[in-house]
Amino acid sequence: GDSVTQTEGQVALSEEDFLTIHCNYSASGYPTLFWYVQYPGEGPQLLFRASRDKEKGSSRGFEATYDKGTTSFHLRKASVQESDSAVYYCALSDSTGGNNKLTFGQGTVLSVIP
Amino acid sequence: EAAVTQSPRSKVAVTGGKVTLSCHQTNNHDYMYWYRQDTGHGLRLIHYSYVADSTEKGDIPDGYKASRPSQENFSLILELASLSQTAVYFCASSRDRLYEQYFGPGTRLTVL
Repeated sequence: GDSVTQTEGQVALSEEDFLTIHCNYSASGYPTLFWYVQYPGEGPQLLFRASRDKEKGSSRGFEATYDKGTTSFHLRKASVQESDSAVYYCALSDSTGGNNKLTFGQGTVLSVIP
Repeated sequence: EAAVTQSPRSKVAVTGGKVTLSCHQTNNHDYMYWYRQDTGHGLRLIHYSYVADSTEKGDIPDGYKASRPSQENFSLILELASLSQTAVYFCASSRDRLYEQYFGPGTRLTVL
């Protein structure tokens, strides 16, 4: 079945540090890829998505590029702020075979120290 | 603005008791989902529905039932609550499976 792997379970950075959260996926078809962010006490919300190879998604200074060759969708931000502290989820939706659901990674807890 | 509400926001239940979690959306979306969130496991899909009066099993349906009486409402039912079902539960809705899912604020369920 489909799967999403996030390498980092927890990341601790100082403000203005560069952020990378690794996301690799496995899917039988050609999935749409998503990054969601969850702030404390809230439900996850979409950060951005990408549906084609080499497509770059971006929002609020975060970006990720769909790479079908390496089956990756790594999240990056050049300069993090304390307000970016949250849980980040990579997810995929695969339309082949009538699949009607998102598959989420395990999540990465980002803590930014002022 | 898209809106998904959940009730109750938190609940304490006894082992073996029946628990019903409710979800209501005003997005006019066809798809609705129930997830549970546990530390280290992220979000796991329990049940989902893409039309009223019909539900589908997700990845971890055992011990849970779902009901979709209308497009707006989707309930998750634990007939015999167990300790292992202590978790935070999220409901979500989407226009289509490839589109953004809008999540509710979550229900924290503690089974004692």
